[in-house]
Amino acid sequence: IVMTQSSATLSVSPGERVTLSCRASHTVSSSLAWYQHKPGQAPRLLIYGASTRATGIPARFSGSGSGTEFTLTISNLQSEDFAVYYCQQYNDWPPLTFGGGTKVEIK
Amino acid sequence: EEQLLESGGGLILPGGSLRLSCAASGFTFSNYAMSWARQAPGKGLEWVSAIGGSGSTSYYAESVQGRFTISRDNSKSTLYLQMNTLRAEDTAVYYCAKDIGWDREFGYFDVWGRGTLVTVSS
Repeated sequence: IVMTQSSATLSVSPGERVTLSCRASHTVSSSLAWYQHKPGQAPRLLIYGASTRATGIPARFSGSGSGTEFTLTISNLQSEDFAVYYCQQYNDWPPLTFGGGTKVEIK
Repeated sequence: EEQLLESGGGLILPGGSLRLSCAASGFTFSNYAMSWARQAPGKGLEWVSAIGGSGSTSYYAESVQGRFTISRDNSKSTLYLQMNTLRAEDTAVYYCAKDIGWDREFGYFDVWGRGTLVTVSS
C-alpha cells in the first residue's frame, strides 16, 4: 500500500491552524498512525487508529478520516510543533508503509 | 521511562557487514514486537524489518529481504539487525521502534530510539 502526503512543505505562522493530508492507494480502514519527527530526535507517535491521540499528546492535535483519505490538524501552532509529520498504515503488512512526510515550517 | 538506545552504526565498505543493536529499558521487552526503520539522507522514513515478541516470527521489506536478519535476546532486552552485502542505498539513520502489540496484530510504534547512522561508501 502506497501512502502519499500531498504537501512536501507547509509554511504556517505560530498560532494558526494547519491541516496535513495523507492518502492510501488502497483502503487501510482506520489503521493509520501519525508521527512527528524533529532532526536528531526520535520520532514521536501522535495519533493511532486514525483519530486517537497517543498518551501525552496535546488536544491541539487531531486526526480524522478512514479508508483512503486522512488528515492531521494542528490548531494554534506552537513553536515546538514545527517538524516533519509522517503518516503510516498498518492495516495490511508486511510491509508497513509511511508517507513521504510533510514539513511544517515557520512562515 | 521507556527507552531505546541504538548502537553499532559506522562507515562500511560496499559488500560489507554490520550488526546494529538496540538496548531497551523501562518495559517488559519480551511482551512486545519490535521493528527497525531507516531514514536515508534527505528522504522519509522506511520500515525495514519486524520481529515478534518471542523471536519466532520475523518480517522484512523487499529491499532488504535475504540480506538483513532481525533477531532479539529477551534475556538482555536487546534487539539486533545483522546487515550483510551492504549497498550504498542502505546508507541511512537506523531507528529501532517498539510496537504496541506482541506480533502482527498491530504495527505502529509508541517508542522510538534516536537512531544510529550507517554509511556505506568506498
